[in-house]
Amino acid sequence: DTGVSQNPRHKITKRGQNVTFRCDPISEHNRLYWYRQTLGQGPEFLTYFQNEAQLEKSRLLSDRFSAERPKGSFSTLEIQRTEQGDSAMYLCASSRGGSYNSPLHFGNGTRLTVT
Amino acid sequence: GENVEQHPSTLSVQEGDSAVIKCTYSDSASNYFPWYKQELGKGPQLIIDIRSNVGEKKDQRIAVTLNKTAKHFSLHITETQPEDSAVYFCAAFTQGGSEKLVFGKGTKLTVNP
Repeated sequence: DTGVSQNPRHKITKRGQNVTFRCDPISEHNRLYWYRQTLGQGPEFLTYFQNEAQLEKSRLLSDRFSAERPKGSFSTLEIQRTEQGDSAMYLCASSRGGSYNSPLHFGNGTRLTVT
Repeated sequence: GENVEQHPSTLSVQEGDSAVIKCTYSDSASNYFPWYKQELGKGPQLIIDIRSNVGEKKDQRIAVTLNKTAKHFSLHITETQPEDSAVYFCAAFTQGGSEKLVFGKGTKLTVNP
């Protein structure tokens, strides 16, 4: 169990630029979740995959956000035309099946700063 | 959808004292309640969880209680140590519904030596 890996750890970008984050889940986990966390708040759900299928998206996930998990393994989260309000920690988590049967394991996140 | 309220937002205790953090949830169908500890610059780490068919669970100095009727659950940390200082989050999950964890806003626990 090597844990959930997220890259990069930090990203500073200028407003209007596109950014992409990567998440490598624990190898045998078929569910992968993306959350966003702002300072002083709990993680907020963005989207989740079961294998390669994206099963749910939050209303927080505007059309500037897109997530993929093409082969059911790693996932990418892309933000187009970044805005200052996108500055946050983006957390990825994985589990074997639904959380009731298998806890979510989180990575250490990617901290995005939009200047 | 599910809504999770967490109190207090900050908690300061002396080393050796107990700490209690309380959460309420809105969806009576929620059936899984984990607690996470988050240290600065790191992702949340699961410390204990409880399922709806159990009223209490204990793991060394940490215990969680669940009252399904009142839709309350609580985290109890006994004999606190400075390394317990962190932000703690409660969460709720509904299997078969919207299968995602909904988190509270967190409690910043400070244990003073």
